[in-house]
Amino acid sequence: DAGVTQSPTHLIKTRGQQVTLRCSPKSGHDTVSWYQQALGQGPQFIFQYYEEEERQRGNFPDRFSGHQFPNYSSELNVNALLLGDSALYLCASSQNRVQPQHFGDGTRLSIL
Amino acid sequence: QQQVKQSPQSLIVQKGGISIINCAYENTAFDYFPWYQQFPGKGPALLIAIRPDVSEKKEGRFTISFNKSAKQFSLHIMDSQPGDSATYFCAAYQEGGKLIFGQGTTLQVKP
Repeated sequence: DAGVTQSPTHLIKTRGQQVTLRCSPKSGHDTVSWYQQALGQGPQFIFQYYEEEERQRGNFPDRFSGHQFPNYSSELNVNALLLGDSALYLCASSQNRVQPQHFGDGTRLSIL
Repeated sequence: QQQVKQSPQSLIVQKGGISIINCAYENTAFDYFPWYQQFPGKGPALLIAIRPDVSEKKEGRFTISFNKSAKQFSLHIMDSQPGDSATYFCAAYQEGGKLIFGQGTTLQVKP
């Protein structure tokens, strides 16, 4: 039973570039949430996708956008990258927007 | 009102001892309180969770104590082992809302 998988594991970008991160939810899950975890901090909620629509959004600018596909997988897009966007980006999945959420191992994004 | 405050920031315990991590919240609408364990280079893994209609939940060596009136909950790790050395996060969730995490506690269990 595959858990939540994320790709790539590591990514290096420069300021101003755009990035796309990918997530496949745990088998049987239909809800995907994205989190940003800065070094030494707890994860911060970015947004949640369910039935291919954004259902909840945290306090993140419009540079952060996402998409959910019919197979429940999801993408996180970040435009106009800033140095402060350097973080571990985590994807979590659940069933019918109900807890608990299960996390992937994240994508480590470094901005130079 | 959406914050979850976690303490201590770091904790050192001897092997076989009890590790205790505390969290406090303000929003009385929170109805689900999980604890996550995170190892370096890995994502958070769900450890144990509780809903506010019970005061305690135990799974193996891990126990959550919940005090609804004080808006506090804590994680107790009994017989702590070096393999328990990790960062622990408490969190709180309101139905239809988002999962709010504490700042994390780095636990080191000395052999």
